[in-house]
Amino acid sequence: AQKITQTQPGMFVQEKEAVTLDCTYDTSDPSYGLFWYKQPSSGEMIFLIYQGSYDQQNATEGRYSLNFQKARKSANLVISASQLGDSAMYFCAMREGNTNAGKSTFGDGTTLTVKP
Amino acid sequence: EAGVAQSPRYKIIEKRQSVAFWCNPISGHATLYWYQQILGQGPKLLIQFQNNGVVDDSQLPKDRFSAERLKGVDSTLKIQPAKLEDSAVYLCASSLAPGTNSPLHFGNGTRLTVT
Repeated sequence: AQKITQTQPGMFVQEKEAVTLDCTYDTSDPSYGLFWYKQPSSGEMIFLIYQGSYDQQNATEGRYSLNFQKARKSANLVISASQLGDSAMYFCAMREGNTNAGKSTFGDGTTLTVKP
Repeated sequence: EAGVAQSPRYKIIEKRQSVAFWCNPISGHATLYWYQQILGQGPKLLIQFQNNGVVDDSQLPKDRFSAERLKGVDSTLKIQPAKLEDSAVYLCASSLAPGTNSPLHFGNGTRLTVT
């Protein structure tokens, strides 16, 4: 079974608007971490934000926030006030603590295009 | 701090040839990963090292791929012989620890084209 599912292959957003990128995950491990990475066309993978399975509050990092709904097993990334430089591929990833020795599993990504 | 270093940046080979990629992780990072990223897809884990021991190589095609991490620092990934479907970007990543709260730091990758 797919551990990380990103159902939006591509998304468009107008500059300065907010956008939500969806991510659902599947695990039976009570201890896990959820991450979002950005991959611009240049290819480097950049860490954006982290949410732990035991964290009570949603993570925020500048214009990035993570909408964590544990019961629904979703960890959506919200980008506020989109900028042209946000155009990139975005990956959701999970690290499982007890069952997989910290192995990181990635989704297939969402390509975000910011329109001027 | 210096990032994860990978070389070469690009490599073009013919099928059935061999190729090797090199990775130097961030200093002090105990965990090292090799991922294969096919165009339009997410990275797929090939192998994970903790220091110089293999933690997970369940998705490594061991008939043609091999990897080692000498002295728990640098790592090399080798493909021999290469197939057309090996064309991909090979990403090396490291993390401070294998814990669930430790993000991965990636190198710029090696883009392999097999003709």
